[in-house]
Amino acid sequence: ETGVTQTPRHLVMGMTNKKSLKCEQHLGHNAMYWYKQSAKKPLELMFVYNFKEQTENNSVPSRFSPECPNSSHLFLHLHTLQPEDSALYLCASSQAARHNTGELFFGEGSRLTVL
Amino acid sequence: QKEVEQDPGPLSVPEGAIVSLNCTYSNSAFQYFMWYRQYSRKGPELLMYTYSSGNKEDGRFTAQVDKSSKYISLFIRDSQPSDSATYLCAMTPDRGSTLGRLYFGRGTQLTVWP
Repeated sequence: ETGVTQTPRHLVMGMTNKKSLKCEQHLGHNAMYWYKQSAKKPLELMFVYNFKEQTENNSVPSRFSPECPNSSHLFLHLHTLQPEDSALYLCASSQAARHNTGELFFGEGSRLTVL
Repeated sequence: QKEVEQDPGPLSVPEGAIVSLNCTYSNSAFQYFMWYRQYSRKGPELLMYTYSSGNKEDGRFTAQVDKSSKYISLFIRDSQPSDSATYLCAMTPDRGSTLGRLYFGRGTQLTVWP
């Protein structure tokens, strides 16, 4: 496998369910990110992990809980979501030293629908 | 006022046309400017990257930055159906930016028809 892999690609869940999104990068990068992409809106940065440490939580509601067990894996745990949380959730990685050049490598995303 | 403004389109052009995609921004601290391309059901991929003002050319693609006007452009020459995608502009300040905090436009959906 190469690049950034996200699973599942599609997820439908009720508001009371608990589910998790998984991301794995095979690029040897040390920074990983969760972004939210909603229709007609710019990409929104949610969480940043640098060398497994969370360095940014962009005022994300607590119903989204990230986990980064190592530099290659990133999870987003979901519980008691709202319909407005339906969106494409993108994982990305980069070399931390090159963050200002904007060279992010994105996965294909997990399309989430909350009923 | 949004940090980055980008017309979402959609934009539809015939094959071979010259395409011009644009973004404006309000924060004069932005120094790094990028264009990402996102095909349907895929994640964005970095297409072009420019530091500060000026032009950068890569094959059929040319990125322009005019910092005095706070305006960036992406030109696609001899457009092909395979260029059909959503194009996202993104930018970030030089110093002090949060890791991974790129300021994105909404994206412009482009269709090139044969």
